Amino acid sequence: DSGVTQTPKHLITATGQRVTLRCSPRSGDLSVYWYQQSLDQGLQFLIQYYNGEERAKGNILERFSAQQFPDLHSELNLSSLELGDSALYFCASSVGVVPTYEQYFGPGTRLTVT
Amino acid sequence: AQKITQTQPGMFVQEKEAVTLDCTYDTSDPSYGLFWYKQPSSGEMIFLIYQGSYDQQNATEGRYSLNFQKARKSANLVISASQLGDSAMYFCAMRENRDDKIIFGKGTRLHILP
Repeated sequence: DSGVTQTPKHLITATGQRVTLRCSPRSGDLSVYWYQQSLDQGLQFLIQYYNGEERAKGNILERFSAQQFPDLHSELNLSSLELGDSALYFCASSVGVVPTYEQYFGPGTRLTVT
Repeated sequence: AQKITQTQPGMFVQEKEAVTLDCTYDTSDPSYGLFWYKQPSSGEMIFLIYQGSYDQQNATEGRYSLNFQKARKSANLVISASQLGDSAMYFCAMRENRDDKIIFGKGTRLHILP
């Protein structure tokens, strides 16, 4: 158990809908990262937050948004969902702003868009 | 142009042998970090090892070491004395410090044979 929790574990929804994925980092970790893993695109970095502030942005679509709350948990919001958004979404956390040491991954949320 | 190249889509190795997984990268940023991750068939992501571009010594973590050849832009992962539990997908990734984005390779699927 990495200490990073993600909910829900599985999510099935229809095209056009909006969903929210939640991540709680390991105790003491200030950085949260979101990744998307799909068969088409492979593994992609979406976004990083550090202590509530956006730190780095990867290939995150405009339909997607994220935030990190004062208690350091983070949410990834996906809207106007398309079939191609079906993927495994990982959250990870690390202590510092730069992941030079351990990054701890959550179990992932499997999103299926039908 | 691909920034991270993993040329071995799959590898079969006998148990107890050493394994080298290849990774080459492309960047003009003098400051960057290189990572390796493991993804077993169960799906979770596990951070293995990190190497900074200014680190003088090759990174090591237990049975894992990173063979960093800066001039060749190579960051191969070496697993010593392979075990059946090493069978997994392995991803190489790079983070350029100018924009903090993390870019992944397509991965190498490693099979350890008994």
